[in-house]
Amino acid sequence: TQLLEQSPQFLSIQEGENLTVYCNSSSVFSSLQWYRQEPGEGPVLLVTVVTGGEVKKLKRLTFQFGDARKDSSLHITAAQPGDTGLYLCAGDNDMRFGAGTRLTVKP
Amino acid sequence: EAGVVQSPRYKIIEKKQPVAFWCNPISGHNTLYWYRQNLGQGPELLIRYENEEAVDDSQLPKDRFSAERLKGVDSTLKIQPAELGDSAVYLCASSQSRDVWYFGPGTRLTVL
Repeated sequence: TQLLEQSPQFLSIQEGENLTVYCNSSSVFSSLQWYRQEPGEGPVLLVTVVTGGEVKKLKRLTFQFGDARKDSSLHITAAQPGDTGLYLCAGDNDMRFGAGTRLTVKP
Repeated sequence: EAGVVQSPRYKIIEKKQPVAFWCNPISGHNTLYWYRQNLGQGPELLIRYENEEAVDDSQLPKDRFSAERLKGVDSTLKIQPAELGDSAVYLCASSQSRDVWYFGPGTRLTVL
């Protein structure tokens, strides 16, 4: 089993602030996915990163895959209350998830 | 196009009772996954199917959990007998490729 570690576990910020969350592993992944989950719902895919060093942008969200394809980061610019949720990363090697970062953005 | 459908959405049972969850994946998705998610945690894979074959059930507690996907479409996950520690959200997901998974809304199980 390839362990995915996410940090921080919890993050509470004010609207308008920037933040970065991390997903780290000792294993190499062919691809890594980021999901957001809201209460009472299943995770929803945000992005898949495939190439080492790849950067993908989704509006105010920027995803980066590490050069060695072992880690990834998610940066949110000017966070909004609608960004509140549980952010999860998952690796395609064995379809397992990290424990997630629970983000709260206060108005 | 309909997403992944799960039922029931909520289930409350007493310990030692049996319970079953049903999942209908997105049409054409050959791969189906069952996950368990405890409060405040990420989903934990229980079993993965490729068509009707269980290709990864290493995390499924086989003494009390069972799953089937007889015709390679919908699937059922069963717990018998349920224990207090089984209280969690049970998520079903399906995919056509290994890097894009679609999740259902989950079944929230409470064991009293």
